[in-house]
Amino acid sequence: KAGVTQTPRYLIKTRGQQVTLSCSPISGHRSVSWYQQTPGQGLQFLFEYFSETQRNKGNFPGRFSGRQFSNSRSEMNVSTLELGDSALYLCASSPRRQENTGELFFGEGSRLTVL
Amino acid sequence: DQQVKQNSPSLSVQEGRISILNCDYTNSMFDYFLWYKKYPAEGPTFLISISSIKDKNEDGRFTVFLNKSAKHLSLHIVPSQPGDSAVYFCAASGGSGGYQKVTFGIGTKLQVIP
Repeated sequence: KAGVTQTPRYLIKTRGQQVTLSCSPISGHRSVSWYQQTPGQGLQFLFEYFSETQRNKGNFPGRFSGRQFSNSRSEMNVSTLELGDSALYLCASSPRRQENTGELFFGEGSRLTVL
Repeated sequence: DQQVKQNSPSLSVQEGRISILNCDYTNSMFDYFLWYKKYPAEGPTFLISISSIKDKNEDGRFTVFLNKSAKHLSLHIVPSQPGDSAVYFCAASGGSGGYQKVTFGIGTKLQVIP
């Protein structure tokens, strides 16, 4: 079974630009969550999508947005990039069973550098 | 508001000894507590979890203990191996209606010295 796939793995942008990151979940997983990892901050929850609808959102500005497609693939977008947006962006999928065990399957992440 | 706290940024342990990683939380509504392990250039991988109604869960060399009254959990690794060297994230899940929000700590970097 293929794991969670994130593209691109690495990218460099300049301040003010926008970026789109892509995530393909494990086959059969319908929930996709996004996290931002920075040194000293751990993994910060961005949002979760299920059945093409955002179900939960973290404390990030509106410049951070996402969407999910009918095949469960997800994208996240960051507009008007700032230096502080430099981070590893992790996507995680889960089968989203009735019981919320919190077990997530992560991709390898997209490393964004903003210059 | 950091609901899951890992106060030790790093830990060094000799191979064969016990590694104890600690975590505190503030939200009494969490349903599950989990530990994830992360190697450089890889995504975190699930290691072990415990339900909020239990106080211990064991899986091979890994044991997680939960003390609800103290809002504290710990991960014990016995015996520690060099391959265990990684960043360990404590996490907690909770929410109504099946919403999948997992809150993570900032991580503890474990180094197992051969």
